[in-house]
Amino acid sequence: KQEVTQIPAALSVPEGENLVLNCSFTDSAIYNLQWFRQDPGKGLTSLLLIQSSQREQTSGRLNASLDKSSGRSTLYIAASQPGDSATYLCAVIPAGNMLTFGGGTRLMVKP
Amino acid sequence: EAEVAQSPRYKITEKSQAVAFWCDPISGHATLYWYRQILGQGPELLVQFQDESVVDDSQLPKDRFSAERLKGVDSTLKIQPAELGDSAMYLCASSPLGQGGETQYFGPGTRLLVL
Repeated sequence: KQEVTQIPAALSVPEGENLVLNCSFTDSAIYNLQWFRQDPGKGLTSLLLIQSSQREQTSGRLNASLDKSSGRSTLYIAASQPGDSATYLCAVIPAGNMLTFGGGTRLMVKP
Repeated sequence: EAEVAQSPRYKITEKSQAVAFWCDPISGHATLYWYRQILGQGPELLVQFQDESVVDDSQLPKDRFSAERLKGVDSTLKIQPAELGDSAMYLCASSPLGQGGETQYFGPGTRLLVL
């Protein structure tokens, strides 16, 4: 059974810092990996989708990398802002398209 | 921009009562998913529909939960009777074809509190 772990569970940083969120998964036979953002009490917003044939994806200040062989993905946030405060979830996608989520990293960016 | 709609946004009920949640996926999306998210955890898939057919409901507690998507468009998730442990966020998502690797689009969720 696929297990997805996110470290750290919570992170507090001052505004302007660059930071890295980590996601690891136990079964490397994945199709894609997706990063989501979730604001308190809200639904999920897709940030980046990395296909298994890709090594990374970039969107603005966000960069996500994928290393299938080691079962790891990282989400890099450059020049963090208070508006980035949210929970960040990674999900792995097998061929069957059923997402398996990690527990999330709760990020707080302090002004 | 098209969005997944869910209602109600919040629901408070007493244990042993029945509750129902509604989801309207993005128009034209064939695949619909219901997830349950316990506070502080990631979402877990309850049921996946492809059009009106159930593709996977292996994680759905069938003694008390039921889900339907009769016309292959909107969907209803029901809990009867509700238990304290059912308190969670219930998320609905949809994707165009249900093929491997598709982005899933999530609704705002229904937050359930069982007293």
